[in-house]
Amino acid sequence: AQSVTQPDIHITVSEGASLELRCNYSYGATPYLFWYVQSPGQGLQLLLKYFSGDTLVQGIKGFEAEFKRSQSSFNLRKPSVHWSDAAEYFCAVAPPQGGSEKLVFGKGTKLTVNP
Amino acid sequence: DGGITQSPKYLFRKEGQNVTLSCEQNLNHDAMYWYRQDPGQGLRLIYYSQIVNDFQKGDIAEGYSVSREKKESFPLTVTSAQKNPTAFYLCASSILLGIGADTQYFGPGTRLTVL
Repeated sequence: AQSVTQPDIHITVSEGASLELRCNYSYGATPYLFWYVQSPGQGLQLLLKYFSGDTLVQGIKGFEAEFKRSQSSFNLRKPSVHWSDAAEYFCAVAPPQGGSEKLVFGKGTKLTVNP
Repeated sequence: DGGITQSPKYLFRKEGQNVTLSCEQNLNHDAMYWYRQDPGQGLRLIYYSQIVNDFQKGDIAEGYSVSREKKESFPLTVTSAQKNPTAFYLCASSILLGIGADTQYFGPGTRLTVL
């Protein structure tokens, strides 16, 4: 069964510092990959997604993610974090042959931003 | 503006009572989903529907029921059989492209507390 691992439960960075959130998946074929962000008490907002093609994906709010097949990873990055980026981030994976109901979420990484 | 609305935002229920959570979308999406979110657990799929008058159980359907009488609406009933219903409930929708995984878009959520 496919699974998604976000190794870091909680990360703290200073405002203006760079950020990398890790995501690893376990699946035979290259899946579809997503990153979502959730502010406290809110729904999830899609940051970016990877289906195929260029392995470096640009998203909203200045985020990007890089798909590395050899490492089964899809890490999220931002060069300079803003205080408004404080939220919880979820990586999600779906099989390439279809089946949106098979979307599997990681357990999330909570980001704290220090002034 | 197109989007997904969930109501109410907060809901309190006494043990032994059924309660229904509303989810409406005006995105003209075919598929709709209900997820449950618990702290540190990520999102778990309760039910999904790909077409009107049809729905399928997800990973944790026990104690829940749904209906899909209209394309725009997918209400979730939390029954008294659900042993631990206190959680944050998220509704999502997606277009069914038929090729690969569809991007899911989320509503703002309903927090249910059982007293």
